[in-house]
Amino acid sequence: GAVVSQHPSWVICKSGTSVKIECRSLDFQATTMFWYRQFPKQSLMLMATSNEGSKATYEQGVEKDKFLINHASLTLSTLTVTSAHPEDSSFYICSADAPGPLSYEQYFGPGTRLTVT
Amino acid sequence: AQRVTQPEKLLSVFKGAPVELKCNYSYSGSPELFWYVQYSRQRLQLLLRHISRESIKGFTADLNKGETSFHLKKPFAQEEDSAMYYCALGGSNYKLTFGKGTLLTVNP
Repeated sequence: GAVVSQHPSWVICKSGTSVKIECRSLDFQATTMFWYRQFPKQSLMLMATSNEGSKATYEQGVEKDKFLINHASLTLSTLTVTSAHPEDSSFYICSADAPGPLSYEQYFGPGTRLTVT
Repeated sequence: AQRVTQPEKLLSVFKGAPVELKCNYSYSGSPELFWYVQYSRQRLQLLLRHISRESIKGFTADLNKGETSFHLKKPFAQEEDSAMYYCALGGSNYKLTFGKGTLLTVNP
């Protein structure tokens, strides 16, 4: 149980276009989902916290107009990278808060590799 | 501000040798600490959390508030332990702050 999926697993897009990444909790409901970015050989950097039915909370330095997050249901959160640039190329990982009382435990998706050409 | 420091980017040991992955944290409140592991080509997964004081796959970690440390230990490393290990600190709003990770390689 407690599986989180991401789609697509990798995507290549041209500069200036937008790309949407989906994060789904497959067998549980997730009130809170998190979006991370991971650069090669570096740690995960939290980008934003996504709460179902409300606006996402962005970390300092993350452009909310560039990285649009929507958490429309208890099993789906989406991250849209708008007007993508090559520097947006990265590995994007989502996670979902574990079922049960709110806790720090998170279940992670497999990640999405974005390459902007 | 909360911070997690993993001083070793790389750690290489031989099979059967003890292993210790270091983690230090900075947090003004009462910390909740975790170790996450990422095996090759797999997703990040929870290894253990300090609050449950459990041993998973032979690994243990003790929270030392005096030294603000949460080092991960295993007395006899196995080849299948080779992976990337991240120490994480739970902060406000149930967010996790991750260290930069330590790549553990267990040689045969």
